[in-house]
Amino acid sequence: GEDVEQSLFLSVREGDSSVINCTYTDSSSTYLYWYKQEPGAGLQLLTYIFSNMDMKQDQRLTVLLNKKDKHLSLRIADTQTGDSAIYFCAESIKDSSYKLIFGSGTRLLVRP
Amino acid sequence: KAGVTQTPRYLIKTRGQQVTLSCSPISGHRSVSWYQQTPGQGLQFLFEYFSETQRNKGNFPGRFSGRQFSNSRSEMNVSTLELGDSALYLCASTVTSGDYEQYFGPGTRLTVT
Repeated sequence: GEDVEQSLFLSVREGDSSVINCTYTDSSSTYLYWYKQEPGAGLQLLTYIFSNMDMKQDQRLTVLLNKKDKHLSLRIADTQTGDSAIYFCAESIKDSSYKLIFGSGTRLLVRP
Repeated sequence: KAGVTQTPRYLIKTRGQQVTLSCSPISGHRSVSWYQQTPGQGLQFLFEYFSETQRNKGNFPGRFSGRQFSNSRSEMNVSTLELGDSALYLCASTVTSGDYEQYFGPGTRLTVT
């Protein structure tokens, strides 16, 4: 089945690292994504990882993928107040074409 | 390069009416997907269009339809609006169908009263 789960809320202090976790169920997923949504805005593509990779680093962002456990995480180093937003994990599923299955989103609050 | 644009940004309609939303993809992108975002159901896939053909459709009633034009611009239509159709409608574009980099527009906020 198609299901992506995330914890709902995370609060961290400015300057600390944030780790947002996600689990997915479909083993046929090709790519896994992290999107950021700020209030009143659309989705901003932060990063993605191909399903046969274990890790991807992009500046302050580190994505870890444990394919055996179907677990994906996003680590944000040196978290800033501007990082406060909702973060969505998504997997790309191919049936007749490709579609994204999203988690419910994790609200990240960065305290000064 | 301009991003994905959606018009209008905000819309208020009455139950029973119909509505058309528009999406212009990033220049050079030929695939457009539509998603509905609500507090209760989250983000759900509506449909994808590529080369003016619907490639995939999500689990939505037939009141939801769409089309794509030869310039890759896409419209979605919702007929006989219900209160539950109130949502943020997002479109995403990719270079081609199956491309991994999907870029989203700012969305159209539809309120049905």
